[in-house]
Amino acid sequence: QKEVEQNSGPLSVPEGAIASLNCTYSDRGSQSFFWYRQYSGKSPELIMFIYSNGDKEDGRFTAQLNKASQYVSLLIRDSQPSDSATYLCAVNWGNKFYFGSGTKLNVKP
Amino acid sequence: EAQVTQNPRYLITVTGKKLTVTCSQNMNHEYMSWYRQDPGLGLRQIYYSMNVEVTDKGDVPEGYKVSRKEKRNFPLILESPSPNQTSLYFCASRAGQGIGPNSPLHFGNGTRLTVT
Repeated sequence: QKEVEQNSGPLSVPEGAIASLNCTYSDRGSQSFFWYRQYSGKSPELIMFIYSNGDKEDGRFTAQLNKASQYVSLLIRDSQPSDSATYLCAVNWGNKFYFGSGTKLNVKP
Repeated sequence: EAQVTQNPRYLITVTGKKLTVTCSQNMNHEYMSWYRQDPGLGLRQIYYSMNVEVTDKGDVPEGYKVSRKEKRNFPLILESPSPNQTSLYFCASRAGQGIGPNSPLHFGNGTRLTVT
């Protein structure tokens, strides 16, 4: 059974701070890694994807991948109250996608 | 507008009464998939389809059926629903079907199913 692990949180950060979200996965064969944001009762929205080791930046978001450590993270700079949501880590193995149970982020004004 | 459309958004039914949740995408995506989301368990894959007439089981296929007769449609069928199938269901699609890094999933708005 493939596993994707995330700390459920909640992770609370003040407005303007950096939020750091972490994810580990169990299989070294995985090839694609995704971060989704999900507001309560809504569908997941893609934040970022990363395929190669290292950092990938998009606006306030940076995804970091370390395949040797089987670890992927998401940094949110200048966190805003509107960033308060659950963040899902997803990993692709072959034709299947596996999701972590999500980390709930609270950004306090 | 590129989108994945699920219907209905909310469904309340009784044990044993067959139901179908429809899913349609207008992005000409080869890959489509169904997930259920339960508190504390995250999204779990029920079935997926690589293309027309090609379907395969995900991690939790018991009690569900799917079909892929057209590229744009991928309905989820519950022949005899039971209360443990009460959940939030999402349909998703993505471009491509080959091995190697995959394009991201695009999700529908979800269907909240309650089976009493």
